[in-house]
Amino acid sequence: ETGVTQTPRHLVMGMTNKKSLKCEQHLGHNAMYWYKQSAKKPLELMFVYSLEERVENNSVPSRFSPECPNSSHLFLHLHTLQPEDSALYLCASSQVVGGPNEKLFFGSGTQLSVL
Amino acid sequence: AQSVSQHNHHVILSEAASLELGCNYSYGGTVNLFWYVQYPGQHLQLLLKYFSGDPLVKGIKGFEAEFIKSKFSFNLRKPSVQWSDTAEYFCAVTKAGGTSYGKLTFGQGTILTVHP
Repeated sequence: ETGVTQTPRHLVMGMTNKKSLKCEQHLGHNAMYWYKQSAKKPLELMFVYSLEERVENNSVPSRFSPECPNSSHLFLHLHTLQPEDSALYLCASSQVVGGPNEKLFFGSGTQLSVL
Repeated sequence: AQSVSQHNHHVILSEAASLELGCNYSYGGTVNLFWYVQYPGQHLQLLLKYFSGDPLVKGIKGFEAEFIKSKFSFNLRKPSVQWSDTAEYFCAVTKAGGTSYGKLTFGQGTILTVHP
């Protein structure tokens, strides 16, 4: 266990559904991230939250909406997704101290299938 | 923008063979470099990292990587692989300085299969 828990592990949704992915970290970190891992493509950074403030939105379509209510929780709200959005969505956390000890701790991911 | 290229998609070795996985990055400034590993059924975890200093860095489980600035490379090596090294390996880069450490640009990954 990394201390980063993602639910659900698997999600199947239709294009008109609304669903949410949840991430919780038990490490006392102050930064959280959403990454997308598509088949045969590199992991792509989607969003970064530092101290509960969004500091990065990597040109992600508005059908993905992140929410960070506190430093331990991160959500990804999904609405009217497309089949090409099917992927593994990874949450990560880190302690942003601006030094060489920082590293990312990843969750196990949510495997999303959009029908 | 940064980019990372991993030369091999799938590497197959026998136990005790030596390993070298290639990684090249594209970025004109100072970088921090990482190798992450994902064992079957497990989460991504950090294998080793380079921030500054000695360009030869050592990580967990006998892995090492060498940063060659002139070649924009950060190749991963292990002198003798084991069956338990079977995993997918990801090279990643981020701009050095500030609070950009979590904003990694990843390569496509290399699947390593080690036969006993």
